Amino acid sequence: ETGVTQSPTHLIKTRGQQVTLRCSSQSGHNTVSWYQQALGQGPQFIFQYYREEENGRGNFPPRFSGLQFPNYSSELNVNALELDDSALYLCASSLGDERSYEQYFGPGTRLTVT
Amino acid sequence: AQSVTQLGSHVSVSEGALVLLRCNYSSSVPPYLFWYVQYPNQGLQLLLKYTSAATLVKGINGFEAEFKKSETSFHLTKPSAHMSDAAEYFCAVSDSPNPNAGKSTFGDGTTLTVKP
Repeated sequence: ETGVTQSPTHLIKTRGQQVTLRCSSQSGHNTVSWYQQALGQGPQFIFQYYREEENGRGNFPPRFSGLQFPNYSSELNVNALELDDSALYLCASSLGDERSYEQYFGPGTRLTVT
Repeated sequence: AQSVTQLGSHVSVSEGALVLLRCNYSSSVPPYLFWYVQYPNQGLQLLLKYTSAATLVKGINGFEAEFKKSETSFHLTKPSAHMSDAAEYFCAVSDSPNPNAGKSTFGDGTTLTVKP
């Protein structure tokens, strides 16, 4: 059973650019959640996808968008990057059933916006 | 609405001493509560979870936590700290067991330092 993987591990972008982060869910998991973790803070929920449909969203602007594919891998896209978008981005996969609160996190992508 | 407050952003203990990391929650429905550990440059690892069964929950690496509804607390303890326990610990709350449950709310974390 493979764990949750994310790519790339590190990324440096310039303000105003766009970025795509990728996540491969744990085998058998059909739900993926994305979190932003700013330095010194806990993860903040961005959105969740369940069977390719967005299934809830946190307090993030529309320039944060996502996709989930039929194999349940996922992308997080951020447009018009701002300096405050610099953070560790975590994805977490889970089963879409009564155990779906048990999330398995990937190692994260550290995004730096200059 | 739900929220989590972790009391003490930094906790320092000696090796072999008791570890106590505090977490208080707020939730409008019976909560599901979690403790995660994060080592430097790594993702979060689930230590233990409370899902409305036993109020004393045992997790990995010798950690346990007790759900106290009257105090709205879910403090994490370990009888004897080990150097390898040095990490950041996050308490999280979720208010549903259904597929929406991934929308956890996290505290700001407590950094545990273990002194030799």
